[in-house]
Amino acid sequence: EAGVAQSPRYKIIEKRQSVAFWCNPISGHATLYWYQQILGQGPKLLIQFQNNGVVDDSQLPKDRFSAERLKGVDSTLKIQPAKLEDSAVYLCASRTIRNGYEQYFGPGTRLTVT
Amino acid sequence: TQLLEQSPQFLSIQEGENLTVYCNSSSVFSSLQWYRQEPGEGPVLLVTVVTGGEVKKLKRLTFQFGDARKDSSLHITAAQPGDTGLYLCAGRSGYALNFGKGTSLLVTP
Repeated sequence: EAGVAQSPRYKIIEKRQSVAFWCNPISGHATLYWYQQILGQGPKLLIQFQNNGVVDDSQLPKDRFSAERLKGVDSTLKIQPAKLEDSAVYLCASRTIRNGYEQYFGPGTRLTVT
Repeated sequence: TQLLEQSPQFLSIQEGENLTVYCNSSSVFSSLQWYRQEPGEGPVLLVTVVTGGEVKKLKRLTFQFGDARKDSSLHITAAQPGDTGLYLCAGRSGYALNFGKGTSLLVTP
């Protein structure tokens, strides 16, 4: 089966600009996660969806970050306006209850804010 | 957020050597996972440990979950250059994962 797809793979923007990332999870995976991974650190959960509903967005900086998963399949994560400290890799992961708690990660989008 | 501390942060060894990396927390986890991440890729699950004291082996990799389910270790025997990567431990809290900062391993021929 196809893995988690993310695009773009790389993005360079100036501070105060906006940016959007797209994720298409593995087919049939009801749970979708967005993580932020700053260089030298482990991934930090930003938001978790179950189908098209938000399960946990407690660590999402809601003043500038937003995410949606309108049809319960693919998802977009937006940053508006971007700050220098948003430079990171944004990882999308998906999970199905049939596989227990294993999360399958996409390759990530590397964002550089200048 | 339950914190996971990994050590060492960096490790550079030669092919054939053995190594152990550690993952420690003051919190109890229902399960703990180990992932390996290569440059430009997302993490890939290596193993999930659930029971205190559990030991799992995956070829040359041996994973142990502490009796109190607060810590874990990963031991690699006869490391190979293909083992190079970032090793992340993650404790499960509900359906979310709390990741450590990782151990960056470099194995040179």
